[in-house]
Amino acid sequence: EPEVTQTPSHQVTQMGQEVILRCVPISNHLYFYWYRQILGQKVEFLVSFYNNEISEKSEIFDDQFSVERPDGSNFTLKIRSTKLEDSAMYFCASSGHNEQFFGPGTRLTVL
Amino acid sequence: GQQVMQIPQYQHVQEGEDFTTYCNSSTTLSNIQWYKQRPGGHPVFLIQLVKSGEVKKQKRLTFQFGEAKKNSSLHITATQTTDVGTYFCALNTGTASKLTFGTGTRLQVTL
Repeated sequence: EPEVTQTPSHQVTQMGQEVILRCVPISNHLYFYWYRQILGQKVEFLVSFYNNEISEKSEIFDDQFSVERPDGSNFTLKIRSTKLEDSAMYFCASSGHNEQFFGPGTRLTVL
Repeated sequence: GQQVMQIPQYQHVQEGEDFTTYCNSSTTLSNIQWYKQRPGGHPVFLIQLVKSGEVKKQKRLTFQFGEAKKNSSLHITATQTTDVGTYFCALNTGTASKLTFGTGTRLQVTL
């Protein structure tokens, strides 16, 4: 069964450093998303992406965040200058219609 | 933005007991989805409800959408240890739009 994959599974970084989280969505899906989940809390929407552009973003997704689909298969989330409060699990998801398929997540720890 | 509350936050049951989680919105919903997240895992789609008063069943799970489309419930009959996890309701406003997750109900099942 097709699935969304994410790398790395865990990333540790120093405050102020840039990180890039990578995702490979399901191949025939057209809609892509990033969500985050702070430990013990609910899943929060960050950004959605369709037709090579951002379709919607939340207030969390400020100018420190960017997304890219560089090669038609990968979908990346970049955080330019990480803050302590960026520590969370980041989930990528993709969708063909209504149901969203989530990847296993990247746990980001900012020290 | 839309807020979705779930109750209870946490429930601990003995295996074989029933479990219900409720999802409430102050506004009318176009549809509602339910996801399950196992401990340490990612959200997995369970079902989508669209019609007022709709009831859907998946084995021991029964999902209901309120007549006014402002609330929904998930009922598990005769829980098993494999039901352990957090159950989230989630709203989306249209095809492939972002998901707004509820606060979640964490279910613990012991023998």
